[in-house]
Formats: sequence, structure tokens, C-alpha cells
Amino acid sequence: DVVMTQSPLSLPVTLGQPASISCRSSQSLVHSDGNTYLHWFQQRPGQSPRRLIYRVSNRESGVPDRFSGSGSGTDFTLKISRVEAEDVGVYYCMQATHWPPWTFGQGTKVEIK
Amino acid sequence: EVQLVESGGGLVQPGASLRLSCEASGLSVNNYWMSWVRQAPEKGLEWVASLKQEGGEKYYVDSVKGRFTISRDNAKSSLFLQLNSLRAEDSAVYYCVGGRGLAYWGQGTLVTVSS
Repeated sequence: DVVMTQSPLSLPVTLGQPASISCRSSQSLVHSDGNTYLHWFQQRPGQSPRRLIYRVSNRESGVPDRFSGSGSGTDFTLKISRVEAEDVGVYYCMQATHWPPWTFGQGTKVEIK
Repeated sequence: EVQLVESGGGLVQPGASLRLSCEASGLSVNNYWMSWVRQAPEKGLEWVASLKQEGGEKYYVDSVKGRFTISRDNAKSSLFLQLNSLRAEDSAVYYCVGGRGLAYWGQGTLVTVSS
């Protein structure tokens, strides 16, 4: 199984400042079809998760452009250019290249300082 | 707009069974990969099971193989998860999720296994 490792697990940030979350996989997430199936999810307090970014860097409709995803192979990053209060929550990366199982990172809790 | 509405959760004793349902609108359960993902209290997300849209192949996390069964009813546009031989470690919110990349999520239904 592919192990997804996120860091940090807790991220206190100041409003308006940038934030960055790292996600590393135990093996390359490049699929034989050439795509990389690495997705990012946001779970706000008391809510269901929602997909923010799919296939490394594609934002879902309605996701603010302050969110961006990057990376390749085994190393990926989710960045928030200027954190807003509504960004508080837990962020998960997930791989869908080598399945089953689909595997998630442990989650990174973003909170305001 | 896609909506997924789960139901069927509850409090049960170890060894009992439950059947979770997910009613879908805005997408056809027959035309999408459909999955269940769970989240134990104060824990992270865990993929549980998936049902492929073509061919109907089913996939399960090792910890539920032989105990859980994923299925669908196209006419009712519904997805199901039959949970048998429940254990305390199965306690979680169970989310119905649509799409191979887990694009669409329901609000979840809580399963608590306790004596």
C-alpha cells in the first residue's frame, strides 16, 4: 500500500500570511497513463470533506485562487497564498494512482494564531 | 448539483449488522465510481470500499473484507453498504462519495458500535 505522509500535522498561521502543507508518498504517483492522481481535500470544522485540488494542481470550481497545488513524483505541496478565517480546518492529501486501497495522509490542521 | 444523502447509521452492539444507504441526485450511481469513506471520532479519513461504474467490480480495505458489502440499486439511484460482524473499531462517520477521484461527498452517517 502507498503510504502518504503529511507535514506539518499542525499549522498555526496568521491571517493574511501564506501557508504550505507537504505531502509525500512512499512511491511515485505517476500512473501508467501519464497522469498523477494526487488530490487535496479540505474539511472545515463540523463539515464533510470537499475536494479542493485534483490531479496535483487543478482547482475545483469555486475554490479561491489563493489555493494552489504543485509537485511531482513523490513530493507534493498545497499552498494558501494568504490565509483567511474560512480556511481553518483539516487538509488531507490522497492518492488514487495505486489502488486499492486509495490512501490518505494523516491530515494537517490549519488554525489561526 | 450533486447531492448524496446517507442514512442508516446508529448505535449497535458488537457483532451486529447495519445497512447504510446513500440516495444520489445529480449523478447516476451506475455511471460513476461510488465509494464509502469513514472517519473515526477525532481521526483522519479512511477509504472503506468502492464500486466501479462499469463491470461492477468491488474493492474493500483489508480490515472490512468478508464483513462489509457495497452494492447499488440503479433504479433507486442509491448506494448501499452492508455492515456485518461490527466491531468497536468500525465506529465512525461513514461518507458516501461519488467519482473515482472522490469528488462528491455526502454529509455522513454515524455508526457507533458499543456494548
